[in-house]
Amino acid sequence: KQEVTQIPAALSVPEGENLVLNCSFTDSAIYNLQWFRQDPGKGLTSLLLIQSSQREQTSGRLNASLDKSSGRSTLYIAASQPGDSATYLCAAPQAGTALIFGKGTTLSVSS
Amino acid sequence: DTAVSQTPKYLVTQMGNDKSIKCEQNLGHDTMYWYKQDSKKFLKIMFSYNNKELIINETVPNRFSPKSPDKAHLNLHINSLELGDSAVYFCASSQEGSTNEKLFFGSGTQLSVL
Repeated sequence: KQEVTQIPAALSVPEGENLVLNCSFTDSAIYNLQWFRQDPGKGLTSLLLIQSSQREQTSGRLNASLDKSSGRSTLYIAASQPGDSATYLCAAPQAGTALIFGKGTTLSVSS
Repeated sequence: DTAVSQTPKYLVTQMGNDKSIKCEQNLGHDTMYWYKQDSKKFLKIMFSYNNKELIINETVPNRFSPKSPDKAHLNLHINSLELGDSAVYFCASSQEGSTNEKLFFGSGTQLSVL
């Protein structure tokens, strides 16, 4: 059974800092992993879908990496901005069902 | 032109009542989902439908019954509401239902059972 853990649960940084969010999963027999952003009172928005064959996926200031052998993924945010403040969730597939989500990391970027 | 829309956004009701949440997607996707996010922000799959057919049915009480009149709609009906049903319910959709696709979420329905 797939379990997804995200550390830290919360993170506060000043504007301009580079930061890394961590995600670990127990079942490494996955072909992809997805990172989402959730703003308060809103739904989730898919940020990056990274395939195991890619190892890295980039979108603007976001870069996600995936290491199946260690059961880990990271989301790197460069030059953070106050608008990046949100909860970031990673999700890994469980065979036969749907995506299994971590509890998220709540990021606060101060100006 | 919202991609995945669900109504109502807020639902406050008494224990024992029956309520429904509606979801519609205009993306032309074949698969739709219901997720539940509890007070600890843990997001968990409840159901998925592919082209009106039930695909995933996680361990959810029988009081929860999804209904898909067509592939663009997936409604959630809840009978005999309990305090523990209070949560945010999210509808989502994807093109074919593979976990190798991006998921598109609605903005959620916050259900409060008093």
